Amino acid sequence: DAMVIQNPRYQVTQFGKPVTLSCSQTLNHNVMYWYQQKSSQAPKLLFHYYDKDFNNEADTPDNFQSRRPNTSFCFLDIRSPGLGDAAMYLCATSTPMTGTGADTQYFGPGTRLTVL
Amino acid sequence: RKEVEQDPGPFNVPEGATVAFNCTYSNSASQSFFWYRQDCRKEPKLLMSVYSSGNEDGRFTAQLNRASQYISLLIRDSKLSDSATYLCVVDGGFQKLVFGTGTRLLVSP
Repeated sequence: DAMVIQNPRYQVTQFGKPVTLSCSQTLNHNVMYWYQQKSSQAPKLLFHYYDKDFNNEADTPDNFQSRRPNTSFCFLDIRSPGLGDAAMYLCATSTPMTGTGADTQYFGPGTRLTVL
Repeated sequence: RKEVEQDPGPFNVPEGATVAFNCTYSNSASQSFFWYRQDCRKEPKLLMSVYSSGNEDGRFTAQLNRASQYISLLIRDSKLSDSATYLCVVDGGFQKLVFGTGTRLLVSP
């Protein structure tokens, strides 16, 4: 059974047209992450939530926003997609590590975004 | 210097071969280390965690050298199904992981 679910799996949008990607999890993990991954590149962390605490990466553009209404769901909003935002968007979850470390992350299947 | 560095490959090996990947990391305070596998156009999946004492899971062996900040993955008796990109992943602190760009492995008949 899928533990981290992402919808839609494929999203096509027009330049500048807002889009929302969703992620849900059945693992009851406290921490949820959004990554952007382009071809032949490492996943790039955009932001993460530790419970309701939002942590934005310094280089994440303002065009990217996120919401986490409850433990199970997290959304990625791209306010005005540009051609450079075409990528795979990956959601991941984790249990929190004591101290300042990081534990295993479990990924959803991703949403592949195409911008026309 | 990148936080996690890997040889991008590709490593082309025949079935049955033994192949080793290396990875170096820059943050000496990192506490957790992992190898993830990623198939083309799929999500990363945990292959194994890496422990200081070294650990083995079937045909896969991972080693960690904290003094040299170096992690390795050894795959024995390669199968066609092992063809994938192998991501070296290191704890970046504050609940975050840092991913290498991956090493591509191609196993041929």
